[in-house]
Amino acid sequence: GAVVSQHPSWVICKSGTSVKIECRSLDFQATTMFWYRQFPKQSLMLMATSNEGSKATYEQGVEKDKFLINHASLTLSTLTVTSAHPEDSSFYICSARETGAALYFGPGTRLLVL
Amino acid sequence: AQSVTQPDIHITVSEGASLELRCNYSYGATPYLFWYVQSPGQGLQLLLKYFSGDTLVQGIKGFEAEFKRSQSSFNLRKPSVHWSDAAEYFCAVASGGGADGLTFGKGTHLIIQP
Repeated sequence: GAVVSQHPSWVICKSGTSVKIECRSLDFQATTMFWYRQFPKQSLMLMATSNEGSKATYEQGVEKDKFLINHASLTLSTLTVTSAHPEDSSFYICSARETGAALYFGPGTRLLVL
Repeated sequence: AQSVTQPDIHITVSEGASLELRCNYSYGATPYLFWYVQSPGQGLQLLLKYFSGDTLVQGIKGFEAEFKRSQSSFNLRKPSVHWSDAAEYFCAVASGGGADGLTFGKGTHLIIQP
């Protein structure tokens, strides 16, 4: 099946710094990518939908100025957590949509803000 | 708005026994339905999906699921579980022909007893 990668897999940062997470579709072109957030022992919550070449669409309650999403190419989307705070610590997972509505998930990025 | 309910937070099954994980969805039109598995600290792996056609769907690792429109259900089954099946299982629904992000259930934690 299709492969989606994320980098980094782990990141620890100080409060107030910004962190960039990359999501890549390795063997297919993804016009649409999605970013999810998962708190410990909870389900995944959709944060935003990222379409190549256009602005991301954010879910209600997600701050677009805090979670910057860029989808500059058909194989790469980035999520930047700006001015991160401890409450932003979470597991961030991206998914990429292949043709036929199949969705493939990346392995996730664990963010810890100290 | 669409929603997914997984009524069982935890399920314990003996190794070799059969398994059924429940999933009910709420969606106005024909849904796109998915089952994913997540091992601790890992991303999600697609087990199977239903878009249309045969309501009994075969997936990987010996899993199957049956779409029952009258019951708004998409239960996951496996005839004989293995210790390696212990994980978190998520049911999800997509609308918009799959162009939108997924709405996940809260997950069911599967424990395998020796």
